[in-house]
Amino acid sequence: AQSVAQPEDQVNVAEGNPLTVKCTYSVSGNPYLFWYVQYPNRGLQFLLKYITGDNLVKGSYGFEAEFNKSQTSFHLKKPSALVSDSALYFCAVRVMDTGRRALTFGSGTRLQVQP
Amino acid sequence: GAGVSQSPSNKVTEKGKDVELRCDPISGHTALYWYRQSLGQGLEFLIYFQGNSAPDKSGLPSDRFSAERTGGSVSTLTIQRTQQEDSAVYLCASSLAGGPNTGELFFGEGSRLTVL
Repeated sequence: AQSVAQPEDQVNVAEGNPLTVKCTYSVSGNPYLFWYVQYPNRGLQFLLKYITGDNLVKGSYGFEAEFNKSQTSFHLKKPSALVSDSALYFCAVRVMDTGRRALTFGSGTRLQVQP
Repeated sequence: GAGVSQSPSNKVTEKGKDVELRCDPISGHTALYWYRQSLGQGLEFLIYFQGNSAPDKSGLPSDRFSAERTGGSVSTLTIQRTQQEDSAVYLCASSLAGGPNTGELFFGEGSRLTVL
């Protein structure tokens, strides 16, 4: 079984401040981890992923995420938030070595960046 | 087209009617997924197609739901005898399978279903 938890329904941050959106996962095996973003009235877009290698991965729009195996976390971060980053963010997981190929998504975290 | 295309974008139906939702994936993408997004909830996996392999139907919530993918391209999700709890946005995604593209799904804008 595989699951993802996003403990915060909403995160509020002031423009220019650093932001963190939290994600923890539970899998039997080695995980592939992903972040997707959904802007208002737009489809979901791939942001970044961890497959293997460096624990810190960099993605689109200045976002990065750190894979922490001991804490089973994959938090999304950005050093300086923009108002345009306001959107719904989804963490997702897939187990590396099993037949289940579909991603399991978390419930989403709404990021609100205030000017 | 350049992206994943879904139709209709909005569908209002009466309880008990059947509905069909269509997805046209990106050309050359061998994997196709259907997810459901309900208000205030995350994405719920429904079904996954990969090439000529048997689909992964493990997410379908009941036998009223079915999907097919013809010729490895267009997919149709059918909901029979719709219920009010079926109201949601139905999302289709496609991807290249495996390798460096693993997990990079391209989503359509969804079909919003409202069951009265």
